Amino acid sequence: KAGVTQTPRYLIKTRGQQVTLSCSPISGHRSVSWYQQTPGQGLQFLFEYFSETQRNKGNFPGRFSGRQFSNSRSEMNVSTLELGDSALYLCASRPTSGSTDTQYFGPGTRLTVL
Amino acid sequence: KQEVTQIPAALSVPEGENLVLNCSFTDSAIYNLQWFRQDPGKGLTSLLLIQSSQREQTSGRLNASLDKSSGRSTLYIAASQPGDSATYLCAVASDQGGKLIFGQGTELSVKP
Repeated sequence: KAGVTQTPRYLIKTRGQQVTLSCSPISGHRSVSWYQQTPGQGLQFLFEYFSETQRNKGNFPGRFSGRQFSNSRSEMNVSTLELGDSALYLCASRPTSGSTDTQYFGPGTRLTVL
Repeated sequence: KQEVTQIPAALSVPEGENLVLNCSFTDSAIYNLQWFRQDPGKGLTSLLLIQSSQREQTSGRLNASLDKSSGRSTLYIAASQPGDSATYLCAVASDQGGKLIFGQGTELSVKP
């Protein structure tokens, strides 16, 4: 079974621009979560989608948004980029929304904001 | 508010040594706890998941324990190898949702 895939793997943007990142979960997985990883703050939860509905949201400004499609693929969007948005963005998938499910992470998208 | 702490932040050991990584959390009302491994510039690989009702889980040379009452988990690595060099992260799920609260990680270096 193919793992979680994320595109693009690397991205360079300038302040004020917007960016869209994509995540394809493992086949059959319906839950997708997004995390931001920075050297200073570590790994922080952004949001989770299940069956096209946002189920949980972390403490990030409204510039961070996401969505999930009927095939469970997910996208996250960051508008009006700031230097502090430079980070590794990871998505994770699991079969259901149950607490017993291991989360499987993708390789991440490295976003650099200049 | 759940907070997860990992000690030590970095650890360097000679090959073959047994070692213990520590993780503590402030709120004992958890659903599960997971240990992950992250290689430089890569995503996370799940190592072990312990349900809140369990005390330990084992996979190969890895053993993870959970003591909810004291808010602690340990990851024991037996007979360490250079290939074990990576950052180890523990993460707590406080409910059935997908939100994991991560510690800052322990960077492990195993010297040949």
